[in-house]
Amino acid sequence: QVQLVESGGGVVQPGRSLRLSCAASGFIFSNYDMHWVRQAPGEGLEWVAVVSPSGDARSYADSVRGRFSIFRDNSENTVYLQMNSLKTEDTAVFYCAKQRARFDAFDFWGQGTLVAVSS
Amino acid sequence: VLTQSPGTLSLSPGERATLSCRASQSINNNYLTWYQQKPGQAPRLLMYGTSKRATGIPDRFSGSGSGTDFTLTISRLEPEDFAVYYCQQYDNSLYAFGQGTKLEIK
Repeated sequence: QVQLVESGGGVVQPGRSLRLSCAASGFIFSNYDMHWVRQAPGEGLEWVAVVSPSGDARSYADSVRGRFSIFRDNSENTVYLQMNSLKTEDTAVFYCAKQRARFDAFDFWGQGTLVAVSS
Repeated sequence: VLTQSPGTLSLSPGERATLSCRASQSINNNYLTWYQQKPGQAPRLLMYGTSKRATGIPDRFSGSGSGTDFTLTISRLEPEDFAVYYCQQYDNSLYAFGQGTKLEIK
């Protein structure tokens, strides 16, 4: 069965960096776009970034472009989110999600990892 | 931009729920998706391609619409259906969610 397990969250000071990981299993990882989606406390879902199956194409939400970087290691079945210059407003649960097909829905989600940016 | 209405919907089990999602521009190829999220849980895929039910989703859930106006209908509410529902679209390399509709027990 498909599993997505995020890790790497924690408490970090504003301006610092953090790297999230999402370990995938149960499907052919290298065939699918992978995403990060976040949810601030008590708020709705916000799409963050996507990486193509080969890793050569990436897109970002305006709110994180230039600060966050998504990449993947298909040999390790893992997708990463490198977050630099963190702001307090980046505090959220970060989910990784598998895309069903190009431009299509997110059919599997991880359980999420909490990032808290605070001084 | 996706706008969902109402923000909160208060209904009783057995009633019919109608949730709306309106896009600021026409959605190409009907790439309109619905997710359900319960407290403390990750979102779950409900509907994709506007009207296709995801695996395991009961047939009391249905989706419809085109262009800029889309609807999620739950024909007869079960206790487990009370949750927050989000619509999502793909447009120009970006993926956007609506702000959500909370479906609560009346």
